[in-house]
Amino acid sequence: GENVEQHPSTLSVQEGDSAVIKCTYSDSASNYFPWYKQELGKGPQLIIDIRSNVGEKKDQRIAVTLNKTAKHFSLHITETQPEDSAVYFCAASKRAAGNKLTFGGGTRVLVKP
Amino acid sequence: DGGITQSPKYLFRKEGQNVTLSCEQNLNHDAMYWYRQDPGQGLRLIYYSQIVNDFQKGDIAEGYSVSREKKESFPLTVTSAQKNPTAFYLCATTPDRGQPQHFGDGTRLSIL
Repeated sequence: GENVEQHPSTLSVQEGDSAVIKCTYSDSASNYFPWYKQELGKGPQLIIDIRSNVGEKKDQRIAVTLNKTAKHFSLHITETQPEDSAVYFCAASKRAAGNKLTFGGGTRVLVKP
Repeated sequence: DGGITQSPKYLFRKEGQNVTLSCEQNLNHDAMYWYRQDPGQGLRLIYYSQIVNDFQKGDIAEGYSVSREKKESFPLTVTSAQKNPTAFYLCATTPDRGQPQHFGDGTRLSIL
């Protein structure tokens, strides 16, 4: 089955700096890659997603890049703010598998004011 | 308000007891999912259902059971066979296979 590795497990950045989280996946048939943000005691919230026919997607301060050949994708957060502090998860799925998501282990991001 | 409602927010289980976690949605979504999250870890799929009266096992189904009698509801029962049930349980829905999953706010289950 699919395996998703996520790095780093923790990330501390100064407010205003950029944060980058990287994920690799094992199944070359995976074609959908969402990113979720989870705050303490809450469910994950979708922040951005990308499909395999696209190499990059941006939404304000957040961007995701996908390298299908290398089977990795990354989340980039620019101009970080204290409210960006949370746990971020990447995931991968393929339509043929009923949209089942396989998650990475998560990255705890701390933005220091 | 449209959304996914999980209840209760906190639940305690005694040894040998079955407990049922509720997940209700009014989004008219076809597919529903149950995940387990352990501290400091990612989410793992327990069961999922793509249509009423049908469901499939996920990666860690042992010790759990589900039903999907109504489109709006997908309850999860944690049975006494699940020896390590302490975790945060999350329910998710999606309108069809190609759309993002959206999550409820979870139920935290602990052992007394």
